[in-house]
Amino acid sequence: AQRVTQPEKLLSVFKGAPVELKCNYSYSGSPELFWYVQYSRQRLQLLLRHISRESIKGFTADLNKGETSFHLKKPFAQEEDSAMYYCALKEETSGSRLTFGEGTQLTVNP
Amino acid sequence: NAGVTQTPKFQVLKTGQSMTLQCAQDMNHNSMYWYRQDPGMGLRLIYYSASEGTTDKGEVPNGYNVSRLNKREFSLRLESAAPSQTSVYFCASSEGGWDEQFFGPGTRLTVL
Repeated sequence: AQRVTQPEKLLSVFKGAPVELKCNYSYSGSPELFWYVQYSRQRLQLLLRHISRESIKGFTADLNKGETSFHLKKPFAQEEDSAMYYCALKEETSGSRLTFGEGTQLTVNP
Repeated sequence: NAGVTQTPKFQVLKTGQSMTLQCAQDMNHNSMYWYRQDPGMGLRLIYYSASEGTTDKGEVPNGYNVSRLNKREFSLRLESAAPSQTSVYFCASSEGGWDEQFFGPGTRLTVL
C-alpha cells in the first residue's frame, strides 16, 4: 500500500534561514505529490503540486523518483510561514483520493 | 461563495451516543471526502464519494457511515460513539480526478 512519511513532527528555524520539510513516499507507480498547509485558525489549503513545477510563497518542491522524495524548500523562511504542513500522494488509479503524511509543524522564530 | 461548510463546529458526546456531522459545498464539485485529523497521524480518509450516488470506504471507515444526500451534501454518521473517535473531522470537496481538494473548517468532536 502507498505510504507518505514526514519524519519531522516539529521543525523550528530562525527568520531568514533556509528551511526544508522532508517528505518520503512509497508507491510503485507514478504518483502525483502535493503539499497542503494549515495556518493557525485557517483551513487546510493546497500550497503546491509537483506537476505544476511552480514556486508558491517562495516554496518549491521537486519530485525525486529515485529517492522517492518530495521535500519542500524555501531559501529564506519568514515568520508567516509558521504553520502545519502536510505532504500528500495521489495514486494513478485512486480517482481523487489522497494519502496524507503525518504533518510537520514549522515554527519560524524572529 | 462559502466554499465547504461544516456543522457543528464543536460537539461533546458520551460513549454510545450517535450523531451526524453535516457537510455542504457550493462549488458544484463532484467529489467529497471525510477525514479525521489526529496528532502525529496526519489526516486519514474515512469515506469518500467520487460522484453523486456513490460512496466508498477510505483508510479508517470502521464505526462510521456516510450519505451523499445530493451533489452538495455529504454527511458522516457515528452510530455509537467511542472515545477512540475523539478527533477533528474535516470535510473536503474537489471537482474530481486530479483537482485540488478544498477543505471545510473542521468539527472538533470529543467522546467521553
